[in-house]
Amino acid sequence: DQQVKQNSPSLSVQEGRISILNCDYTNSMFDYFLWYKKYPAEGPTFLISISSIKDKNEDGRFTVFLNKSAKHLSLHIVPSQPGDSAVYFCAASSGAGSYQLTFGKGTKLSVIP
Amino acid sequence: EAGVTQFPSHSVIEKGQTVTLRCDPISGHDNLYWYRRVMGKEIKFLLHFVKESKQDESGMPNNRFLAERTGGTYSTLKVQPAELEDSGVYFCASSRHPLTDTQYFGPGTRLTVL
Repeated sequence: DQQVKQNSPSLSVQEGRISILNCDYTNSMFDYFLWYKKYPAEGPTFLISISSIKDKNEDGRFTVFLNKSAKHLSLHIVPSQPGDSAVYFCAASSGAGSYQLTFGKGTKLSVIP
Repeated sequence: EAGVTQFPSHSVIEKGQTVTLRCDPISGHDNLYWYRRVMGKEIKFLLHFVKESKQDESGMPNNRFLAERTGGTYSTLKVQPAELEDSGVYFCASSRHPLTDTQYFGPGTRLTVL
């Protein structure tokens, strides 16, 4: 049973427009959420995170929104650039004695010039 | 500062053989994690070391997998004997503090069992 779900395997966006990547989770114990970006043949690279006590965190072109009642988070990239093309993974942890990350399957973002 | 390094980058072995993967975490990072991604599936947690101690090994698939971190520096993950379903990419990650610090990932080792 998947506790973190990324229902869109892929997304194509025009350069300069907004990219919105979505993630849903089922485990109410998750209290820390992260987005990682992954290029082929490389490991996941940390992008941005958010604690459950917040509903928004912004870092440059990247903003993560958390809706705890809906158990949903999203990553907004504005404006999208061709270099943003990669696979984006949503991850969560509960921090309740175990710090393992639970990942979604990823969404492949293609930014078209 | 050097990142997390993993060796080898690729390994192709036959079913029944033994393979040992190595991970060197970022210097000063006491926390070391192993994850695995089987093709088409999500990245899954295997285990977590704090220094040389296993903090959480709930994700280890079975007793064919043995992880060690002698001296609290680098870690090895041995698969013996390897089975076809062990094929995938094995990632290592490290962090300073498990709760507040980001986990930084290595490039992974792609293991193919024939």
